[in-house]
Amino acid sequence: DTAVSQTPKYLVTQMGNDKSIKCEQNLGHDTMYWYKQDSKKFLKIMFSYNNKELIINETVPNRFSPKSPDKAHLNLHINSLELGDSAVYFCASSPGTSGGKQETQYFGPGTRLLVL
Amino acid sequence: DAKTTQPNSMESNEEEPVHLPCNHSTISGTDYIHWYRQLPSQGPEYVIHGLTSNVNNRMASLAIAEDRKSSTLILHRATLRDAAVYYCILPLDGGATNKLIFGTGTLLAVQP
Repeated sequence: DTAVSQTPKYLVTQMGNDKSIKCEQNLGHDTMYWYKQDSKKFLKIMFSYNNKELIINETVPNRFSPKSPDKAHLNLHINSLELGDSAVYFCASSPGTSGGKQETQYFGPGTRLLVL
Repeated sequence: DAKTTQPNSMESNEEEPVHLPCNHSTISGTDYIHWYRQLPSQGPEYVIHGLTSNVNNRMASLAIAEDRKSSTLILHRATLRDAAVYYCILPLDGGATNKLIFGTGTLLAVQP
């Protein structure tokens, strides 16, 4: 059983399009995250949600809108895609119950987005 | 924010031990030291974490200096599957926000 899954695995699209990436975790965790890894391999957090509430928003353009329909899912919708959005996007989750202690995060396999 | 410094790359031979160093001289007293690794074309995966004492698990050992300003991830017998980028990470805000800030990490190459 896959703990954190993402769909699609690959996404190739034209500039200006709107696309969504889906993430699901079956670990029973309360907190989920989106990270972006650019072409230089820098991995940077974008958002985190705890129990469907936004906790972290890391100065990401408002073309990116996360949506958490329930605590097992955190989807990422991107409007008006730009060339610079090409990257690998990773979803992650953690228990969300540690009360301030850094928790282990479990990552999905990534979605490789290419904007042409 | 506590920062970490790691060598850009290291090489090892298969079935030999590997010691991956990390400096974190600005670490706070309550900061845990976390290690993750990223295998090629995969998401990061948790390896180990510790506070003061040395730690062991099935993947690796973590040796933490007495002053906590450095630590070493030890892979006891490297395999080809251990070739990855290894990240040494300290929490922001004492871990309250649960943000993982990934640096450039150490790219470990394992030779057969």
